[in-house]
Amino acid sequence: AQRVTQPEKLLSVFKGAPVELKCNYSYSGSPELFWYVQYSRQRLQLLLRHISRESIKGFTADLNKGETSFHLKKPFAQEEDSAMYYCALKSGYSTLTFGKGTMLLVSP
Amino acid sequence: NAGVTQTPKFQVLKTGQSMTLQCAQDMNHEYMSWYRQDPGMGLRLIHYSVGAGITDQGEVPNGYNVSRSTTEDFPLRLLSAAPSQTSVYFCASSFTVRATDTQYFGPGTRLTVL
Repeated sequence: AQRVTQPEKLLSVFKGAPVELKCNYSYSGSPELFWYVQYSRQRLQLLLRHISRESIKGFTADLNKGETSFHLKKPFAQEEDSAMYYCALKSGYSTLTFGKGTMLLVSP
Repeated sequence: NAGVTQTPKFQVLKTGQSMTLQCAQDMNHEYMSWYRQDPGMGLRLIHYSVGAGITDQGEVPNGYNVSRSTTEDFPLRLLSAAPSQTSVYFCASSFTVRATDTQYFGPGTRLTVL
């Protein structure tokens, strides 16, 4: 069974501080990993996916198969980054499995 | 394209009432799904469909029915609403169920069952 764990329910940082949102997964094969973001009372939107190896809004995430992790990082947090972040996993033709989410609060 | 649309945005029901949450997409996506979002629980899959006429259960299907008579529409029916079904419901779609296809989400329906 596939499972996604986000150990932190809430992460609070000051503007300009580095941010790391943790995500660990369990799956025996080669999954696709995603980060979705949900700003206040808005729909979920895809932030980035590991296969793209891109940086979106200053965020990056590296898939570490040895540690089965896909942590989301940003060197300097901005107030507009405050949102709920979900890590998600998908493999082959399976459905998308989400973690429980981490609320990021960036204070001025 | 309107993308993924959901109606209504808000709904209040009494215990035992039934209702249908509507979801539509205009992107010719084969794969559609329903999730519920609860605090501390993340998003949990209720039902999904890989094409017209084909549906299957997700993680939390009890109390919900779905049908997929057209590619565009994927309604979610609550048969007899219970307070435990108070939640925010999101519909999502993608071209196929393949992992490489991005899922697009609707704006959500906030349901309260009294």
